[in-house]
Amino acid sequence: GEDVEQSLFLSVREGDSSVINCTYTDSSSTYLYWYKQEPGAGLQLLTYIFSNMDMKQDQRLTVLLNKKDKHLSLRIADTQTGDSAIYFCAENFSGNTPLVFGKGTRLSVIA
Amino acid sequence: GAVVSQHPSWVICKSGTSVKIECRSLDFQATTMFWYRQFPKQSLMLMATSNEGSKATYEQGVEKDKFLINHASLTLSTLTVTSAHPEDSSFYICSARVLQEMNTEAFFGQGTRLTVV
Repeated sequence: GEDVEQSLFLSVREGDSSVINCTYTDSSSTYLYWYKQEPGAGLQLLTYIFSNMDMKQDQRLTVLLNKKDKHLSLRIADTQTGDSAIYFCAENFSGNTPLVFGKGTRLSVIA
Repeated sequence: GAVVSQHPSWVICKSGTSVKIECRSLDFQATTMFWYRQFPKQSLMLMATSNEGSKATYEQGVEKDKFLINHASLTLSTLTVTSAHPEDSSFYICSARVLQEMNTEAFFGQGTRLTVV
């Protein structure tokens, strides 16, 4: 099956850390992605992680992957108001197939 | 990263008319592009896979005669919404994948907001 699950909403205070969680069901996924979508815009790739990695850090973003539990998380350190958006996790299998997206988590940052 | 350009970014049309949306890969060739539809506050729903030089593959429930896809070159795919109705109003996004090292990243167009009145 190909189901990617995410919590729908997250609200944090400016300066705090945000953690967005995602679970997927297909262990054959090779890469897992986090995309950001601002209102009325397309999707912007934030980061991705290869399935044989546990963690990837890129400036304020930290991705953790628990392949055993099929759990992926995105941590945003020092969350800013500009981080308010919808965040989608997506899984990839191989070749030129479409990504499978979660429903998205709406992050609201309170000043 | 690679650039996918989508045009127009928004369009308003009358019921019964047709609207064409273009998706271009600007700095790479894309043998395959994907068309998604997104309703307000919902996730992306894959509509079809567009293959250069051959027929598109439509997802279940998507009317191929209503959503015409043409992928005439390695850098251009078009989606035509024929005989548009208000329920076709939505945000349409195209995507193309690029092989970069071992990872085939997916890059997205800016999206087209279609409003049918």
